[in-house]
Amino acid sequence: EAQVTQNPRYLITVTGKKLTVTCSQNMNHEYMSWYRQDPGLGLRQIYYSMNVEVTDKGDVPEGYKVSRKEKRNFPLILESPSPNQTSLYFCASSLSGGDGNTIYFGEGSWLTVV
Amino acid sequence: GEDVEQSLFLSVREGDSSVINCTYTDSSSTYLYWYKQEPGAGLQLLTYIFSNMDMKQDQRLTVLLNKKDKHLSLRIADTQTGDSAIYFCAEIDSGGYNKLIFGAGTRLAVHP
Repeated sequence: EAQVTQNPRYLITVTGKKLTVTCSQNMNHEYMSWYRQDPGLGLRQIYYSMNVEVTDKGDVPEGYKVSRKEKRNFPLILESPSPNQTSLYFCASSLSGGDGNTIYFGEGSWLTVV
Repeated sequence: GEDVEQSLFLSVREGDSSVINCTYTDSSSTYLYWYKQEPGAGLQLLTYIFSNMDMKQDQRLTVLLNKKDKHLSLRIADTQTGDSAIYFCAEIDSGGYNKLIFGAGTRLAVHP
């Protein structure tokens, strides 16, 4: 079954404690990205990756890092989380140059920073 | 930059039709989408329309696209309580790699 899997699904953490949200896809997709969802703002892209070792900033990259060492994995790293990073995070993957309707989303990760 | 706008709330009676509206700015978008998010759940792709189409129907869902006005709408016929959710309009960013530009989401409340 085609899947984008995120972990953890729910996390409460404290300010400044580094955390990683993992994302894995089993579809051999080249393109992966991270979005955050905030009330009244919809989803905004944080970072994206076009292939292994190729990443770039999206619209709201501040406070985040990513890496793409393997095609299937695209972890989101918060080196020093702050309360304004409390949000719902979605990982997405798609075929490179796909037609858009092949974008698959993970189930989402609820992150609370206190 | 590109922007997608939609109203934040819509309340309808069960059995009535719901119409959720959206405006977008990127006239070169090739695809426009409607996603559904139920409470506490992830995103579900409901339907999409290619930019050379004016209308697409899929069971209870009808998508209308007015390219001149850059206006997209989603009509849900015979709205049920299970349709209560947040509905996001989104367009493909013509300058990005399958990057989606989302609206803020319309919360649809269905009451008896």
